[in-house]
Amino acid sequence: KQEVTQIPAALSVPEGENLVLNCSFTDSAIYNLQWFRQDPGKGLTSLLLIQSSQREQTSGRLNASLDKSSGRSTLYIAASQPGDSATYLCAVTGYSTLTFGKGTMLLVSP
Amino acid sequence: GAGVSQSPRYKVAKRGQDVALRCDPISGHVSLFWYQQALGQGPEFLTYFQNEAQLDKSGLPSDRFFAERPEGSVSTLKIQRTQQEDSAVYLCASSSLAGGPENEQFFGPGTRLTVL
Repeated sequence: KQEVTQIPAALSVPEGENLVLNCSFTDSAIYNLQWFRQDPGKGLTSLLLIQSSQREQTSGRLNASLDKSSGRSTLYIAASQPGDSATYLCAVTGYSTLTFGKGTMLLVSP
Repeated sequence: GAGVSQSPRYKVAKRGQDVALRCDPISGHVSLFWYQQALGQGPEFLTYFQNEAQLDKSGLPSDRFFAERPEGSVSTLKIQRTQQEDSAVYLCASSSLAGGPENEQFFGPGTRLTVL
């Protein structure tokens, strides 16, 4: 059974810092990996989707990498802003469904 | 519509009551998914439809949970005889292609169910 682990569980940084969120998964037989953002009381917003054949994806200040063989992904956020405060979820697509980690709760203080 | 919508946004039920949660996917989207998210946890898969066919219901936690999508568009998740452990946010997602979960899913805002 696929298991997804996210480290750290929570992170608090001052505005302007660059930061890295980590995700690991136990079964490397995946179709893709997605990073989502979830604001309190809201649904999930897809940030980046990396196909299993790709190594990384970039969108603005966000960069996600995927090392499928080692079962790891990182989400890099450059020049963090208070508006980046949210929970970030990593999810991998296996045979039939998305499997999510528990998320990293990020707080960026002004 | 512009996105996936869910109703109601909040539902409070007494233990033992039946509830019905509705999902309106993005117009034309073939695939529809339901997830359950307990407090402090990531979402967990419940069930998956392709058009009106329920292709995977392996995540439904008990036979009290039932989902349908009779016309291949709107879906309803029904929970019978609700229990306190059913308290969670129920998320719906849809995707445009028929290939299954490997295609990008777009999520609704969720329905927060509280069972007293």
